[in-house]
Amino acid sequence: TQLLEQSPQFLSIQEGENLTVYCNSSSVFSSLQWYRQEPGEGPVLLVTVVTGGEVKKLKRLTFQFGDARKDSSLHITAAQPGDTGLYLCAGVDDYKLSFGAGTTVTVRA
Amino acid sequence: NAGVTQTPKFRVLKTGQSMTLLCAQDMNHEYMYWYRQDPGMGLRLIHYSVGEGTTAKGEVPDGYNVSRLKKQNFLLGLESAAPSQTSVYFCASSYPGRNLAKNIQYFGAGTRLSVL
Repeated sequence: TQLLEQSPQFLSIQEGENLTVYCNSSSVFSSLQWYRQEPGEGPVLLVTVVTGGEVKKLKRLTFQFGDARKDSSLHITAAQPGDTGLYLCAGVDDYKLSFGAGTTVTVRA
Repeated sequence: NAGVTQTPKFRVLKTGQSMTLLCAQDMNHEYMYWYRQDPGMGLRLIHYSVGEGTTAKGEVPDGYNVSRLKKQNFLLGLESAAPSQTSVYFCASSYPGRNLAKNIQYFGAGTRLSVL
């Protein structure tokens, strides 16, 4: 049973457009993390959100954690081809992670 | 700094064969993990270890065994490989901390395994 549902599964956009990826949980986690994975590589942490309602920005990426700490979103402004990759959300339960299935983002030049 | 290193990178097995995947980390991390990644499934935890000499089952442990004889190494074994174990396997390590915002897992580049 997937505790974390990500949507959409696939997203293909033109360079310069904006995109949003959603992560919804059936459980409350102590924190939630977003990772990006490129082909042939392992996931790399982008951000950790801890507090309900928290918003974090990483250059053109904006991460939000829902007030109830059960959902999160990742928004990319003016996407670039270098943003192409698999985006994974993960709920943190003590020191273990539960991953969503991921969203494959393709940014066309 | 190498971080987390997995060997081998690729392997093809026949059904019933055995093999061991090696994970080595040079960050002095206490915790180590083995995941498998399948299309549409994300990463699922197989086994993990919270310290040298200790191991525990994760979400999908059946068909796998692990050992953590040295702090820096975490081995994943398949005693009798099955086609259902065809997957990409990732090892990760982390340093436990009270600061949740710094609870980071560092991943290796993965081992692509095919079982025919």
